[in-house]
Amino acid sequence: EAQVTQNPRYLITVTGKKLTVTCSQNMNHEYMSWYRQDPGLGLRQIYYSMNVEVTDKGDVPEGYKVSRKEKRNFPLILESPSPNQTSLYFCASGKAGGTQYFGPGTRLTVL
Amino acid sequence: QQQVKQSPQSLIVQKGGISIINCAYENTAFDYFPWYQQFPGKGPALLIAIRPDVSEKKEGRFTISFNKSAKQFSLHIMDSQPGDSATYFCAATAGTASKLTFGTGTRLQVTL
Repeated sequence: EAQVTQNPRYLITVTGKKLTVTCSQNMNHEYMSWYRQDPGLGLRQIYYSMNVEVTDKGDVPEGYKVSRKEKRNFPLILESPSPNQTSLYFCASGKAGGTQYFGPGTRLTVL
Repeated sequence: QQQVKQSPQSLIVQKGGISIINCAYENTAFDYFPWYQQFPGKGPALLIAIRPDVSEKKEGRFTISFNKSAKQFSLHIMDSQPGDSATYFCAATAGTASKLTFGTGTRLQVTL
């Protein structure tokens, strides 16, 4: 089944404790991206990647890191999480200029 | 600066009625306008999309109307059903960039 998977789905952590949210897609898509969803603000792009080893900042990149060492994986790293990073996170993949397919989301709470 | 403005924030429609959600954009480089549907606990999923070379696109009960000169586009849901209750996001992107700029979302509730 073609899909985007994210892990974990739910995470509660404390300020400053490094964490990684994984994202994997099995559709051989070049493009992958991370979004955060907050009430009243919609979906805002954090980072995106046009292909392996090619990443760039989105609209809200502060406090986040990403890497794209393999085409199928695009992990999101929070080196020192803070409470303002409490949010619902989505990974997406797609072909350049085309439809994007979203994962099921990761709900992160930073205490 | 919000490049895609979406309204209303929430919408209640009776079963069988027409739901209308509007979006306006600023960036004239945008050339692909998808609408995403999101159910609680799920990721957004593509519903319907349009490119600016046409003024309307229809897929079943869902229609996008596009006004290039006004830089506006809207989603019409005909014969709205309770199963259509979800959050709807308009979005826009330019060329092959694939960077989607989303509106803030409309929470639609269809009542019996």
